[in-house]
Amino acid sequence: QKEVEQNSGPLSVPEGAIASLNCTYSDRGSQSFFWYRQYSGKSPELIMFIYSNGDKEDGRFTAQLNKASQYVSLLIRDSQPSDSATYLCAVIFGGATNKLIFGTGTLLAVQP
Amino acid sequence: DAGVIQSPRHEVTEMGQEVTLRCKPISGHNSLFWYRQTMMRGLELLIYFNNNVPIDDSGMPEDRFSAKMPNASFSTLKIQPSEPRDSAVYFCASSLQGHEQFFGPGTRLTVL
Repeated sequence: QKEVEQNSGPLSVPEGAIASLNCTYSDRGSQSFFWYRQYSGKSPELIMFIYSNGDKEDGRFTAQLNKASQYVSLLIRDSQPSDSATYLCAVIFGGATNKLIFGTGTLLAVQP
Repeated sequence: DAGVIQSPRHEVTEMGQEVTLRCKPISGHNSLFWYRQTMMRGLELLIYFNNNVPIDDSGMPEDRFSAKMPNASFSTLKIQPSEPRDSAVYFCASSLQGHEQFFGPGTRLTVL
C-alpha cells in the first residue's frame, strides 16, 4: 500500500515564526513531490513542487526533500495569520505517470 | 485565463437519484482527474484520464460511479443511484504532462 503520511495537527505557531510541516512517503522510487494549501471550504492550491534532493525556495516558502529518508518538508518563514490553512503533501509514486497520492493534511494555525 | 470549471457548485438530492457532475479543464491540458474529499478519508483520487482516455479507475468506489471524457474540454462524473454515503466534495483537476495539477472549485454533494 503506497502511503503519504502527515501529522494532522493542528500546528500552532505565533505570527512571525517559522512553521515546519513534515511528510513521509512509503515508495522509495517516488520522483515528484508537491505541497498544496487548502483554505477551509476552498479547493487545494499548488504552492510548491520539488523533484531533486535538497532545498527549493520560493519567497517565504522552502521545500526540503530527502529521498534517502523518504521525507519532504515545507518551511514557512515569517508566518502570517493568512497562512492558516490545511497543507497537503502529495507524491507521484515511482512507476506511475500522473497519479498523485495525497496525505491527509496538516492544519496550520498562525496566532496573531 | 479561466481555471478549471465545475458545475454545479452545490447539489442536494435524494437517495436513489442520479447525479451528474461536470468539469471543463484548463484549455491545453491533457490530463484530467476526479477526486472526492471527506473529513474521514481525505482527498481520494477516483479516476484520471490522459488525452481523453481513462488510465486508472481503481479509486472508483463501485459500479454506481462512472466517468466519461468525450472530448478534451469536457468530462462528467455520474453517480446512479446515489446514496447518503456519497455525500462529499468532488473536485476536478487538470494538468499538462501530468505533473502540476490545478483544481477546480469543487461540487459539494449532499445526498439525503
